[in-house]
Amino acid sequence: EAGVVQSPRYKIIEKKQPVAFWCNPISGHNTLYWYRQNLGQGPELLIRYENEEAVDDSQLPKDRFSAERLKGVDSTLKIQPAELGDSAVYLCASSQSGGGEQFFGPGTRLTVL
Amino acid sequence: AQRVTQPEKLLSVFKGAPVELKCNYSYSGSPELFWYVQYSRQRLQLLLRHISRESIKGFTADLNKGETSFHLKKPFAQEEDSAMYYCALRVTGGFKTIFGAGTRLFVKA
Repeated sequence: EAGVVQSPRYKIIEKKQPVAFWCNPISGHNTLYWYRQNLGQGPELLIRYENEEAVDDSQLPKDRFSAERLKGVDSTLKIQPAELGDSAVYLCASSQSGGGEQFFGPGTRLTVL
Repeated sequence: AQRVTQPEKLLSVFKGAPVELKCNYSYSGSPELFWYVQYSRQRLQLLLRHISRESIKGFTADLNKGETSFHLKKPFAQEEDSAMYYCALRVTGGFKTIFGAGTRLFVKA
């Protein structure tokens, strides 16, 4: 099994441009997480989905970030417009349930110039 | 506020030496603690969790509620243990996981 799939793996954009990241969780995993990992730091939760419902988005900067998980499977995280400080690795993870083991994707490394 | 502190950014030891990666947490509830590992060019993965009380790849970690610590230990380090290690705290009921900043372990031959 491929595990959690993310695309693209790398993205370079200029500030004020929009960007989107895509995540396909492990089949059968109901819970999906988006994390942001800044250089030299651990992952920080942005949003957690239980099926198609966002149950924890308290750390998501809602003025420029949005996320969706249509049909409770794939998910997309969007930033519009991007700022220099958004440069980071964006990680997607999934688990069978909210309390289960999290399996991480390879991440998308975003560079905002 | 919940917080996880890993005081060492880099830990370098010789092969065969004991290794201890420190982790301290701040949480008023009953904690669930984890260690995650990321090997070079691989994705982040779970190494062990405190409730399992198991040894994985020779690593163990004991939750010390009095000292609010969850240090990761291995008696004899191997070169293949070189990786980035993250301590993490899961908040009870909310399933939010808080990660420390990580410690890079380098095991020298």
